[in-house]
Amino acid sequence: GAVVSQHPSRVICKSGTSVKIECRSLDFQATTMFWYRQFPKQSLMLMATSNEGSKATYEQGVEKDKFLINHASLTLSTLTVTSAHPEDSSFYICSAKRTSNEAFFGQGTRLTVV
Amino acid sequence: AQSVTQLGSHVSVSEGALVLLRCNYSSSVPPYLFWYVQYPNQGLQLLLKYTTGATLVKGINGFEAEFKKSETSFHLTKPSAHMSDAAEYFCAVTTPPNFGNEKLTFGTGTRLTIIP
Repeated sequence: GAVVSQHPSRVICKSGTSVKIECRSLDFQATTMFWYRQFPKQSLMLMATSNEGSKATYEQGVEKDKFLINHASLTLSTLTVTSAHPEDSSFYICSAKRTSNEAFFGQGTRLTVV
Repeated sequence: AQSVTQLGSHVSVSEGALVLLRCNYSSSVPPYLFWYVQYPNQGLQLLLKYTTGATLVKGINGFEAEFKKSETSFHLTKPSAHMSDAAEYFCAVTTPPNFGNEKLTFGTGTRLTIIP
């Protein structure tokens, strides 16, 4: 099956700093990548959709300047949480989609802002 | 617009008993339906999917689900629960590729607990 690698799996950062999370499709080219945020014991909330070489499409209520998404190639998308604050602490998950509309998920990143 | 409703945020079954997790969907176009499993602090793993064709789909770990258009349902079942099945389960819906909607819409999840 298709493999999506997300890195890092856990990160702790100080308030005010920025954190970058990488999402790579290892054995296929992803036409589209998605970034989700998951609060404890809740479902996944879609943050943004990104296509290679174009600007990401953000969901309503998601701050574009706070959550910077770069989709530099067909196998790599990055999410940068800028000027992180404790309320940004969460579990972030990426997924990558092939042409079949089937999405494959990364392992998730637990972000803790102290 | 699409939506997914998972009835029962928590389900407990005894080891060896039938597992039934309920999912109902709403979609204005023929849906693609998915069940994912999530273990603590991990991403989502695909259990099974329905796109077209046979309405009874079999997935990994002995799970299966049946697409019932008349009931707008896609319930997940497993004949005999195992301790390793304890996890969070998410039902999700999207549209076929030619409809231009790439997004997955998730249900709120069902936490499955297995009683020894």
